[in-house]
Amino acid sequence: KAGVTQTPRYLIKTRGQQVTLSCSPISGHRSVSWYQQTPGQGLQFLFEYFSETQRNKGNFPGRFSGRQFSNSRSEMNVSTLELGDSALYLCASSLVSGRVYNEQFFGPGTRLTVL
Amino acid sequence: ILNVEQSPQSLHVQEGDSTNFTCSFPSSNFYALHWYRWETAKSPEALFVMTLNGDEKKKGRISATLNTKEGYSYLYIKGSQPEDSATYLCASANNNDMRFGAGTRLTVKP
Repeated sequence: KAGVTQTPRYLIKTRGQQVTLSCSPISGHRSVSWYQQTPGQGLQFLFEYFSETQRNKGNFPGRFSGRQFSNSRSEMNVSTLELGDSALYLCASSLVSGRVYNEQFFGPGTRLTVL
Repeated sequence: ILNVEQSPQSLHVQEGDSTNFTCSFPSSNFYALHWYRWETAKSPEALFVMTLNGDEKKKGRISATLNTKEGYSYLYIKGSQPEDSATYLCASANNNDMRFGAGTRLTVKP
């Protein structure tokens, strides 16, 4: 069974631009969560989607948005990029809704660098 | 707000040593505690999801315990091997949030 895939793996953007990251969950998984990893803040939750609906959202500005498609693939968008958005963005999928009680399977991440 | 603390920050042990780390979390409104293993250049890998006070889980040489009343969990590694070298993350979850600790970086020397 293929694991969680994320594209692209690396991305370089400049301040003010926008970016879209993609995540394909494990086949059959319907819940997708997004996380940001920075050296200073550690791993922080962005949002969770289940059946095309956002279930939970972390404490991030409105520049961070996401969506989920009917095939459970998810995209994350960051508009008006800032230097502080440079980070590793991870997505994780789980079989049923709720990252709370269920094992999450992480993708390899997208390394975003904002210049 | 969930403040999850992990200690120690880093640990160096010899092959064959047994070791343990601590994860502290707020005990109020607790739902679940997750442990992850994150090797360099790889994705975090789920080790355990624990929910009940007194829970003990084991996977090979790795085990974990949970005390929800006092808000801590221990992760134990018996007979550490070089391939156990990784960052071990814990995450505490309530009904709408999940917070990760900063992790314990374990290095096992041959």
